[in-house]
Amino acid sequence: GNSVTQMEGPVTLSEEAFLTINCTYTATGYPSLFWYVQYPGEGLQLLLKATKADDKGSNKGFEATYRKETTSFHLEKGSVQVSDSAVYFCALSDRDTDKLIFGTGTRLQVFP
Amino acid sequence: EAGVAQSPRYKIIEKRQSVAFWCNPISGHATLYWYQQILGQGPKLLIQFQNNGVVDDSQLPKDRFSAERLKGVDSTLKIQPAKLEDSAVYLCASSLAGADRGYGYTFGSGTRLTVV
Repeated sequence: GNSVTQMEGPVTLSEEAFLTINCTYTATGYPSLFWYVQYPGEGLQLLLKATKADDKGSNKGFEATYRKETTSFHLEKGSVQVSDSAVYFCALSDRDTDKLIFGTGTRLQVFP
Repeated sequence: EAGVAQSPRYKIIEKRQSVAFWCNPISGHATLYWYQQILGQGPKLLIQFQNNGVVDDSQLPKDRFSAERLKGVDSTLKIQPAKLEDSAVYLCASSLAGADRGYGYTFGSGTRLTVV
């Protein structure tokens, strides 16, 4: 079945460091791919998305590129801030059921 | 536009009691989802509605969980009787045209349930 695998956290970085959170997926066909962010005590917010191979989603300095050849959608940011501390979820859409399938999440902690 | 509204934000109940959660999706969003998020895990779909019809409830523990979406707008999720393992955040989400078309979901803030 369709699934998403994320790197385990927590990821701990100093402010202004470079961030990469790895995400790979298994799916039939060509799903849409998403990154959601969950700040402490809040619900999930859509951070960025890509709907076809080689698309790059971007928002708030974060980027992720849909790589069909490696079935990956890694999240990157050039310079993280303390306010980026949150849990990040990679997700894909299931074409058969039209629902989102989430990874287990990666906690990011950024220290000043 | 207004977001997805959920209430209550927090609920503490004893095991074997019943509880209900309410969700009001974004106006015009035909698809509504309830997810369960256990601490440290990703959200797990419980039930998916398209307008007021159920599309997928294969992961809903139907012996204790029930959900309805009357008139294709608001939805309620009920647990009766609750078990300790039901402690989780219950997230409601709505979508304009479904995840597969790239729209993603808009999530509410969730209801944190603690069963003691």
